[in-house]
Amino acid sequence: EAGVAQSPRYKIIEKRQSVAFWCNPISGHATLYWYQQILGQGPKLLIQFQNNGVVDDSQLPKDRFSAERLKGVDSTLKIQPAKLEDSAVYLCASTTLAPGVLTGELFFGEGSRLTVL
Amino acid sequence: AQKVTQAQTEISVVEKEDVTLDCVYETRDTTYYLFWYKQPPSGELVFLIRRNSFDEQNEISGRYSWNFQKSTSSFNFTITASQVVDSAVYFCALSSYSSASKIIFGSGTRLSIRP
Repeated sequence: EAGVAQSPRYKIIEKRQSVAFWCNPISGHATLYWYQQILGQGPKLLIQFQNNGVVDDSQLPKDRFSAERLKGVDSTLKIQPAKLEDSAVYLCASTTLAPGVLTGELFFGEGSRLTVL
Repeated sequence: AQKVTQAQTEISVVEKEDVTLDCVYETRDTTYYLFWYKQPPSGELVFLIRRNSFDEQNEISGRYSWNFQKSTSSFNFTITASQVVDSAVYFCALSSYSSASKIIFGSGTRLSIRP
């Protein structure tokens, strides 16, 4: 079974530029998450989708971050304009379980490392 | 408030030593789940174990064991006879209804196993 795929693995941009990250979850996984992991910290949830609908985006900085999952499969996370503090690894995760189910084991991709200069 | 604290930032031991990673959590919920994930250098987080708040039995899986104590709000992870391949960052995490079932991660413990 293929795992969660993410691209690009690495991206370096100047501040105020834009960047987009792509995630392809495990086939059949209805729930998809984007996490931000700053160096030395644990992952922090940015947004949660079930199929193509947003379940929770309360921690997404909506003035600069946006995410979509138009067909309920792949997802894209965009940052525009980027700030220095956006330097982090952006992790995508998926699960078969619906949001609200506590027991969810998440399957993570390898992440996209963003460096903002 | 939901919170997970991993006070040990980094641990380094020699191969074959036993090592315990500490995790302390805070939640007002009576129903919650605790998790451990491993993050090897490749970057992806790998699920290790899940434990619900009503099951305080300790669990052993090969060289790994977990000690859940509600009285001290701790969910500690022990690796017996550590191996170089155990080197990774380990995260403890919590999911509860108060966090809208979101998984909240601790800050992680970087474990280095020296040959």
